[in-house]
Amino acid sequence: SQQGEEDPQALSIQEGENATMNCSYKTSINNLQWYRQNSGRGLVHLILIRSNEREKHSGRLRVTLDTSKKSSSLLITASRAADTASYFCATDSGGGADGLTFGKGTHLIIQP
Amino acid sequence: NAGVTQTPKFQVLKTGQSMTLQCAQDMNHNSMYWYRQDPGMGLRLIYYSASEGTTDKGEVPNGYNVSRLNKREFSLRLESAAPSQTSVYFCASSLRQTHYEQYFGPGTRLTVT
Repeated sequence: SQQGEEDPQALSIQEGENATMNCSYKTSINNLQWYRQNSGRGLVHLILIRSNEREKHSGRLRVTLDTSKKSSSLLITASRAADTASYFCATDSGGGADGLTFGKGTHLIIQP
Repeated sequence: NAGVTQTPKFQVLKTGQSMTLQCAQDMNHNSMYWYRQDPGMGLRLIYYSASEGTTDKGEVPNGYNVSRLNKREFSLRLESAAPSQTSVYFCASSLRQTHYEQYFGPGTRLTVT
């Protein structure tokens, strides 16, 4: 079953604007990760945030995690055309079992 | 350093045929995974191997078998393909099973007619 649910399903913005995507999940987690997938390609890891962290930065990416609300957000600042892709959140539910559980993704389009 | 490689890239099968999808990683990772991705469904875990010599079922294992041939290689076999197995298949690996990012291969696009 899908653990994470991204919101919105699709987002179109102008180049240079900021893009925010949200992810909600259902069960307790060890960590939450964000991945990017360009059309027709495999997934690429962007950032991992552990359950005891609230915010993490990596370049133009900012991820927040609110375990009380079981939600996370991914902010991409100063977007570029190359950021056009699908973005997935994935949770590691712990206990050493299973792989990651992915949401259905947010498709981001950056208009030049 | 090729990362995670998958073969073949594309495959068309007839219902009832069998095939094996190959996956190899050169990062000395312990854990390997097979996912399928269907339109609008995100990725779903088929099987995983936490370490060499072990394999376990994921969310959607029916109709598939796996073999962890050695630390580098993890294959996925469809014994009798069905149209419902039309999908894009991704192999991934990670250093350990939890707390580590996964590295994905480029995928195999499988069509079963």
